[in-house]
Amino acid sequence: GAGVSQTPSNKVTEKGKYVELRCDPISGHTALYWYRQSLGQGPEFLIYFQGTGAADDSGLPNDRFFAVRPEGSVSTLKIQRTERGDSAVYLCASSSDLYTGELFFGEGSRLTVL
Amino acid sequence: KQEVTQIPAALSVPEGENLVLNCSFTDSAIYNLQWFRQDPGKGLTSLLLIQSSQREQTSGRLNASLDKSSGRSTLYIAASQPGDSATYLCAAENTGGFKTIFGAGTRLFVKA
Repeated sequence: GAGVSQTPSNKVTEKGKYVELRCDPISGHTALYWYRQSLGQGPEFLIYFQGTGAADDSGLPNDRFFAVRPEGSVSTLKIQRTERGDSAVYLCASSSDLYTGELFFGEGSRLTVL
Repeated sequence: KQEVTQIPAALSVPEGENLVLNCSFTDSAIYNLQWFRQDPGKGLTSLLLIQSSQREQTSGRLNASLDKSSGRSTLYIAASQPGDSATYLCAAENTGGFKTIFGAGTRLFVKA
């Protein structure tokens, strides 16, 4: 696609529910990143993929968070047993090559946990 | 552990003024330094990327410099316009890994 696409753009859920956030990277981009951004803060790294594998998941806050990229393109961030503190904007970025490092971001998915 | 700091947190200037946004990082072993713009409720737009071997990059009215030895980068905006009003974020990617660390941003307001 022309840019990084994220769905849904907004998600409101209740505490304890399960949510999935989807990211469709720029076509041909092998590297994919998930970040989380709280109000007034810079994006916080969660995980990145090179191809299908999670090359670094050190930013995932706990085992309620999990991400997959089964075919090396679309990625899904999964959050189990959501908590109010999970409310944030979840940003996805892709890069054509890990060695240039230039990141291209989607518009984000705003998650609100009531 | 890499930490990125941006000063000031907010800045208000009259239209036409030249301005400098500052970014500092604690670990000089960076692979690149990238500047982004973020409009309210939107994602991040890449402005300039400086590789570790470079000293500066320019795009239109924007110029970004990098000094690894002092752990600093600056973004210079010439002849500011109201349309430049946004939050500007810098981000450092370290060597030995591909995790990019962001500062909290500088919120810029250019008054017409």
